[in-house]
Amino acid sequence: DAKTTQPPSMDCAEGRAANLPCNHSTISGNEYVYWYRQIHSQGPQYIIHGLKNNETNEMASLIITEDRKSSTLILPHATLRDTAVYYCIVRVEAGSARQLTFGSGTQLTVLP
Amino acid sequence: SQTIHQWPATLVQPVGSPLSLECTVEGTSNPNLYWYRQAAGRGLQLLFYSVGIGQISSEVPQNLSASRPQDRQFILSSKKLLLSDSGFYLCAWRPPRAEAFFGQGTRLTVV
Repeated sequence: DAKTTQPPSMDCAEGRAANLPCNHSTISGNEYVYWYRQIHSQGPQYIIHGLKNNETNEMASLIITEDRKSSTLILPHATLRDTAVYYCIVRVEAGSARQLTFGSGTQLTVLP
Repeated sequence: SQTIHQWPATLVQPVGSPLSLECTVEGTSNPNLYWYRQAAGRGLQLLFYSVGIGQISSEVPQNLSASRPQDRQFILSSKKLLLSDSGFYLCAWRPPRAEAFFGQGTRLTVV
C-alpha cells in the first residue's frame, strides 16, 4: 500500500476554509485517494475520494495535484462540528480486503 | 439500506477476564469485515479482516482472536484480557468498489 504523510494537527477559525494536506508520493496509477474523519469517540466517517480529477460533494472538495503525489482536502466553511481527526489513505478502488489502513491523521481543531 | 451495528459501546473488564465484542451488518451479503483498535491519540490499527464465513486474516500477533460464524457477523474475542488490550475497538465493512462504513466503536478499559 502507498503510504501517506499528514501534519499531526491544524487549527482553523470557524467560518473559514480548512485546507488539509496529504502527501502520497509513492501512489500507484490505479490507487485512489480517500479521506475519512473521526469525531472523538465515534467511528470514522467517509468524506470523499478521487483518482486524479478534483472532486466535490456536499461535505468537502478534494484537490489532487497533477502528478498525484499530494492532495488537499478543503472544508469550505468550517464549523465547530468539523473538529475531528482527518485521515488520508490511498488504495485501489476494488482492491483486496486488506487494503484499508489508516495512519495517524491530522487533528483539525475549529476555533470559535 | 446497509447498516452496521457494534456493541457494547463501553466496557470495563478486569485483567484476566474474557472478552467478546460483536459486530453485525444488515442489508448486504458477503461483506468484507474488519476489526480495528485505536489506542489513545493514535491512528487505527488493523487487527483482523475477513472475506467470508470462517475466513479470518490476522494482521498483528496479539492476545485477541476473531471469528465469523455467520456471513454478517464478526466477533472479536480474548480468553484473558491484558491491561494493554485497553483501547477503542472499531468494526468496519466495505462493499466492493466503495468506501468503508464503521460502527460506533467500543471503548474497552481493562482494569
